[in-house]
Amino acid sequence: NAGVTQTPKFQVLKTGQSMTLQCAQDMNHNSMYWYRQDPGMGLRLIYYSASEGTTDKGEVPNGYNVSRLNKREFSLRLESAAPSQTSVYFCASSEYLTTSSGVGLGTYGYTFGSGTRLTVV
Amino acid sequence: SQQGEEDPQALSIQEGENATMNCSYKTSINNLQWYRQNSGRGLVHLILIRSNEREKHSGRLRVTLDTSKKSSSLLITASRAADTASYFCATGGGSYIPTFGRGTSLIVHP
Repeated sequence: NAGVTQTPKFQVLKTGQSMTLQCAQDMNHNSMYWYRQDPGMGLRLIYYSASEGTTDKGEVPNGYNVSRLNKREFSLRLESAAPSQTSVYFCASSEYLTTSSGVGLGTYGYTFGSGTRLTVV
Repeated sequence: SQQGEEDPQALSIQEGENATMNCSYKTSINNLQWYRQNSGRGLVHLILIRSNEREKHSGRLRVTLDTSKKSSSLLITASRAADTASYFCATGGGSYIPTFGRGTSLIVHP
């Protein structure tokens, strides 16, 4: 089935441990994103990759790193997990359209993965 | 960053009633999108309305967009218990990355 696949679905870490969340999409989308969702906070953008080879910080990047491995894959790494990083993490992809001169026209619909529930103890 | 803000935060109705939720934003947009999130799941894209459109329908969903007021509304007609979910809006346009608000939590009682 076409879509966005995230692994793992659940993870428990001890404070200070590291881990990488994997995300892959098979829709040939240019742009990929990582969000975290906390109760009462909605979705907050951690990092995004507008196109293969580029990554940029979002609203809450501290404590995270990302890698756009290729057009399909975008991973999120926690180098030293903290309890404040307990959250549900969502990967998403979309088409990000631009004009021939590179002016951004915006996204036209996200496809989300099913999420990773991370608990840091 | 561009941000959509949904209102109300929570809505509780009976099956068969209509549900209306609103979204406000701050700057110009190319399009606005609505998403649904069932408990414990990812967001699912419902409908996209472009900035030059004023109204769009999809099944029991009706979306309106008023760019002069920088607002949009999502109407779910003849609601069902299965419509119980959180609903989010997101804006798209220009070089910025759209962000999501806190959503409207809709509960439809059987």
